Amino acid sequence: AAGVIQSPRHLIKEKRETATLKCYPIPRHDTVYWYQQGPGQDPQFLISFYEKMQSDKGSIPDRFSAQQFSDYHSELNMSSLELGDSALYFCASSLTYNEQFFGPGTRLTVL
Amino acid sequence: AQTVTQSQPEMSVQEAETVTLSCTYDTSESDYYLFWYKQPPSRQMILVIRQEAYKQQNATENRFSVNFQKAAKSFSLKISDSQLGDAAMYFCAFMNGETSGSRLTFGEGTQLTVNP
Repeated sequence: AAGVIQSPRHLIKEKRETATLKCYPIPRHDTVYWYQQGPGQDPQFLISFYEKMQSDKGSIPDRFSAQQFSDYHSELNMSSLELGDSALYFCASSLTYNEQFFGPGTRLTVL
Repeated sequence: AQTVTQSQPEMSVQEAETVTLSCTYDTSESDYYLFWYKQPPSRQMILVIRQEAYKQQNATENRFSVNFQKAAKSFSLKISDSQLGDAAMYFCAFMNGETSGSRLTFGEGTQLTVNP
């Protein structure tokens, strides 16, 4: 069965640089979610989109932005990267009101 | 706002034995879902089991079952016949069922070790 695809899987950036993470949801899923998981922590919700409209917003820094495109894929744009942004970033997708299926994550390292 | 609490940072079980992981939550919502996710060393988040709040019957998936006590706001996971592959971090999670695209709120996690 098709799963959530995230790219890249690993990303290394310098402080103050910009990063773009991509997510391709499971086919026919209409909702995409982004989570950030720091070392030894539980995943923290950033933002979600339902039918290409922002549906919920968590503790997402102003330096981050995201959108969902007409083909339902989503991108998380991160600017002015800080050391504290180093984390595992998960994308998840779901069909309305159903369980969320997670991608493998993008490991971002900021040096 | 919802909160999810897992009071057992670490648990261990002997292979083939049964273990129960605890989870409590706090919410004022009446329509919601509860989940258990497993995160092995690969860091992949894997859905283990799901429970709708409106269902009185406890969910079961093979060796995994839950004890859902709505009034007590308790949602424990029982793993029967534990296997080495069950070793992982387990997260309890809450989702509001009234709004599409609602976030998952996770507990702090329980690290499960399975001893051979």
